[in-house]
Amino acid sequence: KQEVTQIPAALSVPEGENLVLNCSFTDSAIYNLQWFRQDPGKGLTSLLLIQSSQREQTSGRLNASLDKSSGRSTLYIAASQPGDSATYLCAVKEVTGGGNKLTFGTGTQLKVEL
Amino acid sequence: GAGVSQSPSNKVTEKGKDVELRCDPISGHTALYWYRQSLGQGLEFLIYFQGNSAPDKSGLPSDRFSAERTGGSVSTLTIQRTQQEDSAVYLCASSQQGAGGELFFGEGSRLTVL
Repeated sequence: KQEVTQIPAALSVPEGENLVLNCSFTDSAIYNLQWFRQDPGKGLTSLLLIQSSQREQTSGRLNASLDKSSGRSTLYIAASQPGDSATYLCAVKEVTGGGNKLTFGTGTQLKVEL
Repeated sequence: GAGVSQSPSNKVTEKGKDVELRCDPISGHTALYWYRQSLGQGLEFLIYFQGNSAPDKSGLPSDRFSAERTGGSVSTLTIQRTQQEDSAVYLCASSQQGAGGELFFGEGSRLTVL
């Protein structure tokens, strides 16, 4: 059974700092990995999608990497801002017959302070 | 529509009543997913639709839970004889056809069972 772990569970940084969020998964047979952010009381907003054949994806100040063989992904946030405060979730799409579902980590709660 | 739309956004019901939650996916998205997010818990997969069929119902927690999708578009999640442990945010997501598709989530329906 696929298990997705995110470390740290919570993180507080001063504005302007670069930071890395970690995601690990136990079964490397995945189609892709997706990073989301969730603001309190809201749904999930997709940030980056990395296909299993890719090593990284970039969007603005965000960069996500994928090392499928070791079961790890990182989300790098450059020059953090208070508006980046949210819970960040990673999820892997498994290669299962007819399943096509995402398995989520429990998230990293990020607070960027002024 | 421009995004995934869910209704109601909030529902308070009494134990034992039936509830229906609705999801309107992004136009043209053939895949539709239901997830549940309980307080302090991660996202739990419930069911996946491809078109009108549900190849993976493995996450439905009991036979009180059912879902249908008609016309390859709108989906309804029905919970019969609600229990207090059903209280959660129910999130719907859709994606284009294919295993590699990016998932887009709605804002969720918050269910409170008194």
